[in-house]
Amino acid sequence: GAVVSQHPSRVICKSGTSVKIECRSLDFQATTMFWYRQFPKKSLMLMATSNEGSKATYEQGVEKDKFLINHASLTLSTLTVTSAHPEDSSFYICSANSMEGLAGAYEQYFGPGTRLTVT
Amino acid sequence: GQNIDQPTEMTATEGAIVQINCTYQTSGFNGLFWYQQHAGEAPTFLSYNVLDGLEEKGRFSSFLSRSKGYSYLLLKELQMKDSASYLCAVNDYKLSFGAGTTVTVRA
Repeated sequence: GAVVSQHPSRVICKSGTSVKIECRSLDFQATTMFWYRQFPKKSLMLMATSNEGSKATYEQGVEKDKFLINHASLTLSTLTVTSAHPEDSSFYICSANSMEGLAGAYEQYFGPGTRLTVT
Repeated sequence: GQNIDQPTEMTATEGAIVQINCTYQTSGFNGLFWYQQHAGEAPTFLSYNVLDGLEEKGRFSSFLSRSKGYSYLLLKELQMKDSASYLCAVNDYKLSFGAGTTVTVRA
């Protein structure tokens, strides 16, 4: 089946620094990847849709200058949290569309997530 | 906007059956997914419904009524490992998630 990886799985950084999170589709090509964040005991909130070779589409309320998304290839999307602050501490999850699932193009496969803690 | 509602918590006994309901009001509809998520982990796919009716997959079944904007996930023969959060998500070219239902299975 389709596998999505994320790196790093956990990261602790100081306030004001930037952190890059990578999302890779390991055995399939993903023209579209999605970035979510999840607060404890809350559901996933879509931050942005990342399309290979074009600019990401951000959801309302998400600062595009703070959360930089680059989808440089069909297997890699990166999310950079710039000038991180404690309120950015969260669980960040990426997903990728694959044609291989039961739902065809609509099924998303999720990465294992990245726990970001900003001190 | 998207409005997806599911109960916050449910508790059941090992071996029992639990039904998690999900109602939705969304601007578009291209299928409904159910995901299981253990604490600190990413969601894993359980089921997908795009047409009305029941989809059965082992101990898990999912039902959809598009006219009523309603779905349920049925978990049978509950096991301790089924304790997790269950997320209902509606697809309209992107996924909109409900807040999740935390299911606790007790011995």
